[in-house]
Amino acid sequence: AQKITQTQPGMFVQEKEAVTLDCTYDTSDPSYGLFWYKQPSSGEMIFLIYQGSYDQQNATEGRYSLNFQKARKSANLVISASQLGDSAMYFCAMREGGGSSYKLIFGSGTRLLVRP
Amino acid sequence: ETGVTQTPRHLVMGMTNKKSLKCEQHLGHNAMYWYKQSAKKPLELMFVYSLEERVENNSVPSRFSPECPNSSHLFLHLHTLQPEDSALYLCASSQDLVPGVDEQYFGPGTRLTVT
Repeated sequence: AQKITQTQPGMFVQEKEAVTLDCTYDTSDPSYGLFWYKQPSSGEMIFLIYQGSYDQQNATEGRYSLNFQKARKSANLVISASQLGDSAMYFCAMREGGGSSYKLIFGSGTRLLVRP
Repeated sequence: ETGVTQTPRHLVMGMTNKKSLKCEQHLGHNAMYWYKQSAKKPLELMFVYSLEERVENNSVPSRFSPECPNSSHLFLHLHTLQPEDSALYLCASSQDLVPGVDEQYFGPGTRLTVT
C-alpha cells in the first residue's frame, strides 16, 4: 500500500485565488511528521511547511497552511492568493518515527499551474 | 555559494562510461542524502550519510557507488549504467538524523541521460 497518496496529478488555479492540494497518508506509527515541498522546473525541492503528528494546531507559513485532519489521515496544503510563481510540482512527504526517522517518503506529486 | 549545489546540472553518458556526480552543502549540516527522481515515480531515497558514515543503502545496484569524504561533500560514482537509470538525481542535506522538523535542503539536481 502506498504510504503517501496525492490523487491530483494536475491542478489549475486562477491567480490570486486559493487552491488546495490533497494528500493522504498511511501509517500505524503514532509519531510522524508531514512535509510539503515545492519543485519548480529548475529541479530543486524547496521545503514549504511541516506538521507534526502531535501538533495541536494546523501549521502555517505565510501563504501556505496545512489542513491536518488526523482521523482522516489527510494533510492538505492550502495556498492562498496564488501567484504565477507558484506554478510548480508539489510533493507531500512523511517521516515516520522510530529507527528510520530520517526517511522521507514522498508522494507522486501534483503539478499546479497558476493562470494569469 | 549558499545552500546545496550539484554539478554537473546535466549529464549524458553512454552505458560503458564512468562519471561522477558531485554535491556540496554550505549549511554546516551533518547528514547528506542521494535521491533518484524518475519520470512518473515518487522520489526514491538511495543513500544516506551521517557524519561521513553511510547509514542507508536502499537496495541500490552496485553500479551506483557513493562517497562522502567529509560532511560537506557527497559524490555518486556511476559506471556501466542502464538506460532506465536516466533520471534526475537530487542531493539533500539536513542538520542531523533526528526526528522532528529537521527538514532536508535539496540541491537543484543533475539530469542524467544514459544512452
